[in-house]
Amino acid sequence: GNSVTQMEGPVTLSEEAFLTINCTYTATGYPSLFWYVQYPGEGLQLLLKATKADDKGSNKGFEATYRKETTSFHLEKGSVQVSDSAVYFCALSAYNAGNMLTFGGGTRLMVKP
Amino acid sequence: DVKVTQSSRYLVKRTGEKVFLECVQDMDHENMFWYRQDPGLGLRLIYFSYDVKMKEKGDIPEGYSVSREKKERFSLILESASTNQTSMYLCASSPGTPNTGELFFGEGSRLTVL
Repeated sequence: GNSVTQMEGPVTLSEEAFLTINCTYTATGYPSLFWYVQYPGEGLQLLLKATKADDKGSNKGFEATYRKETTSFHLEKGSVQVSDSAVYFCALSAYNAGNMLTFGGGTRLMVKP
Repeated sequence: DVKVTQSSRYLVKRTGEKVFLECVQDMDHENMFWYRQDPGLGLRLIYFSYDVKMKEKGDIPEGYSVSREKKERFSLILESASTNQTSMYLCASSPGTPNTGELFFGEGSRLTVL
């Protein structure tokens, strides 16, 4: 079946540090890939997505590139802020699963001033 | 903006009680979902619905049921709550067509079963 693996957290960084959160996936065919973010006390919201190989999704300074050869979709940001503190979820949507989302376990990011 | 509203943010119930979690969306979405969120396990799908009065089991339906009598409302029911159902419950919706895989989530309902 389909699965998503994320690095375990928490990830603790100082403000303006570089962020990478690793995400790898297993899926049949050509899934769409997503990053969702959950700020404290809120539901999840879509951060960015990519629908085919080599696509780069970007939003709010975050980027992730769909790498089919390594089955990865790592999230990066060049300079994090305290306001980026949240839980980040990698997810995939695959046709063989009726386009239902499969989520990774989530990675908590804590940014200190 | 799409708004998904969950009726209760925090609930405390006793073992054996019947629990109703309500979810309403205001964007005429066909699809609605119930997930539970547990640390380290991510989100796991309990039930989903593609249409009124229609429901499908997700990955962990045991101990839960759902009701969708109106398009905008999707209810999760715990017939007899147990302590292992203590969790955060998230409702989500999405348009039926095109199915982009993007979900719109409510703020969650944190349930504690004593």
